[in-house]
Amino acid sequence: DARVTQTPRHKVTEMGQEVTMRCQPILGHNTVFWYRQTMMQGLELLAYFRNRAPLDDSGMPKDRFSAEMPDATLATLKIQPSEPRDSAVYFCASGSPAGGDTGELFFGEGSRLTVL
Amino acid sequence: GESVGLHLPTLSVQEGDNSIINCAYSNSASDYFIWYKQESGKGPQFIIDIRSNMDKRQGQRVTVLLNKTVKHLSLQIAATQPGDSAVYFCAERTGGYQKVTFGIGTKLQVIP
Repeated sequence: DARVTQTPRHKVTEMGQEVTMRCQPILGHNTVFWYRQTMMQGLELLAYFRNRAPLDDSGMPKDRFSAEMPDATLATLKIQPSEPRDSAVYFCASGSPAGGDTGELFFGEGSRLTVL
Repeated sequence: GESVGLHLPTLSVQEGDNSIINCAYSNSASDYFIWYKQESGKGPQFIIDIRSNMDKRQGQRVTVLLNKTVKHLSLQIAATQPGDSAVYFCAERTGGYQKVTFGIGTKLQVIP
C-alpha cells in the first residue's frame, strides 16, 4: 500500500530551537510538495521539487526555512530558529508517477508543529 | 483576546440530497483543476480532477464542472452521505513545472 510517510507526526518545541520534518514520497513519484496549513492562511505552498531539483520556494520564509531532497526517497523541511508563528500542520505530498499525467497529489498525514 | 481565523464557507446538506460546492480560480494558464477532501486530522485526499480543455467530468457519485469563461469550478456530490462530511478544497495546477496551489476550502456538513 504505497503512501507518503511523514515524521514526526507531532512536535512540540521551544522558540529558537531547530525543527526538522521529514517526508518519504511514494516510490517513483518525481514531484514533491511541502504545504503549511493554518487556520489563518489555509493550505499554503511552501516549496516543491521535481526530480529532486527545487523549482519554487517563493512561499517559504528564506531566512529561517530550508527545504532539500538529499535523495529520491527523502525530502526535508527545516526551520531554524523556530518561532511561535510557525505553529501549524506541515504536509508533504508527492505526485506525477512516471508515465502518467494527472493533477493528483498524494498527501502524508502531516506533521503538527507547536512552537512555544 | 479576540480569535481571528480563516472563516470557512460552510454548506449544510440533508443526507441523501445532492451537494454543490463552488470555487473561483484565478489563473487562466492552469492545465488541471482538482478537488480534494480533507477529513479532520488527516491529509487532503484526491477526489477528481479535470483538464482545462474539458468542461465536465464524472466519477463515482461526483461530477466536476469547469466554466473557463467565468473561471468557476464546481463539485457536485450525489446522494450525500454522512461520510462526505469534510472540508473540500479546489486546487489548480499551473505551468510546465506542475505547481499545485489550493483555494480556501468549504466545509460540508451532512445532517443525518
